[in-house]
This record gives sequence, structure tokens and C-alpha cells, in this order.
Amino acid sequence: DQQVKQNSPSLSVQEGRISILNCDYTNSMFDYFLWYKKYPAEGPTFLISISSIKDKNEDGRFTVFLNKSAKHLSLHIVPSQPGDSAVYFCAASASNQAGTALIFGKGTTLSVSS
Amino acid sequence: DSGVTQTPKHLITATGQRVTLRCSPRSGDLSVYWYQQSLDQGLQFLIQYYNGEERAKGNILERFSAQQFPDLHSELNLSSLELGDSALYFCASSVAVGAYTGELFFGEGSRLTVL
Repeated sequence: DQQVKQNSPSLSVQEGRISILNCDYTNSMFDYFLWYKKYPAEGPTFLISISSIKDKNEDGRFTVFLNKSAKHLSLHIVPSQPGDSAVYFCAASASNQAGTALIFGKGTTLSVSS
Repeated sequence: DSGVTQTPKHLITATGQRVTLRCSPRSGDLSVYWYQQSLDQGLQFLIQYYNGEERAKGNILERFSAQQFPDLHSELNLSSLELGDSALYFCASSVAVGAYTGELFFGEGSRLTVL
């Protein structure tokens, strides 16, 4: 059973426009959420995170929104740039559960065209 | 550069064989995590070690095993290999015991191809 779901395998956006990547989760014990970015032939790198006590976290062009009641989070990139083209993974963890780890979704491939 | 080193970068072997993937964590990180990324799959958590002890276990097959050594490097052993084991294997490290503090630092991965 997939606990973290990214239902859109791919997303294409024009440079300068907003990119919105979505993620749903099923485990109500998850209380910390992260987005990772991955370029080809590289490992994933941390992008931005949010704790369940917040509903928004912003870092430059990147903003993550969390809707706990809907068990949904989204990553907004504004404005999108060609260098943002990568695979974006949503991840979640349950900080109060021993023996658990960071659970990732399948990823969404973002293509930003100039 | 994340500071996490994985070797080998590429490995081609035959079914039924055994391979060992190696990971050196960032300096100072005590936790090592192994993830598997198969085609069209996300990053599947396999196992975590903290300071030499197993801390969390995911969907790791019985044919797979791992350990973390006193110098904190880790090895993932894959035996009786099957075609379906072909994947990218990532190692990640962090300072924390658990994953809840968030950031994991990933290596570039080891690409295993089983023919």
C-alpha cells in the first residue's frame, strides 16, 4: 500500500509560469513532509520541508502548502525556470514512531520550457 | 556534492550472483539509509542503521542484507540476484537517529543491472 502518492508522473510548464506539484498521503501519523529534487545521474537533494504544525512554508521561489484535513500537500514554484526541470519527490515521516523512515512517492517529472 | 560516497557507480552481473554495494556517509553522520529505485517506482526504503545498529527496516528482501561498520561505512549485500533486482540503489546519511528531523543527504547511487 502506497502511503505517499504523487498521481501526476509528469508536468510541463512554460518558463515564468507557476508549477504546482501535488502529493497525497494516507498515514495520519505523518507529521513531517519534505520535497526532494533529482537531476539525472545525481542523487536526490533536499528542497524544502514543512512540519504538520504549519500550513505553509516558503523559501524563495518555492512554497509548500499542507492541508492536513485532506492529507494533501503541494509544492509551488514561481516563477518556473528551465533549471527547475527535474524529478520531484514528495516524502513524509512520522516523528513519533520509532523504527520508521522517510517514505517517498514515485516522483513527478517537471519540464520547464523556455 | 552531498558528501556521501557510493561505489561502484555501475555494476553488471548475472542472475544468481551476489554483489556488495558500499556507502561512506558524510563526515559526522551516524545514520545510513538504503533506498532502491526501480523503473517507474519511487524510492523504496530498505533499511536504516544508526551507529552500527539496525534502526528501521522497510521492504528489504531476505536475499538482501546490510551492515554498518565501526568506521560508519555501510555495505548492502544482494544475493541470488534476479532480473527484477536491477535498479538504482541509493545510500543516504543523516546526523539523526530517525528520519523525522528531515534532511537526508543522498549519494549518487549505484546502478545495478542483472542480466
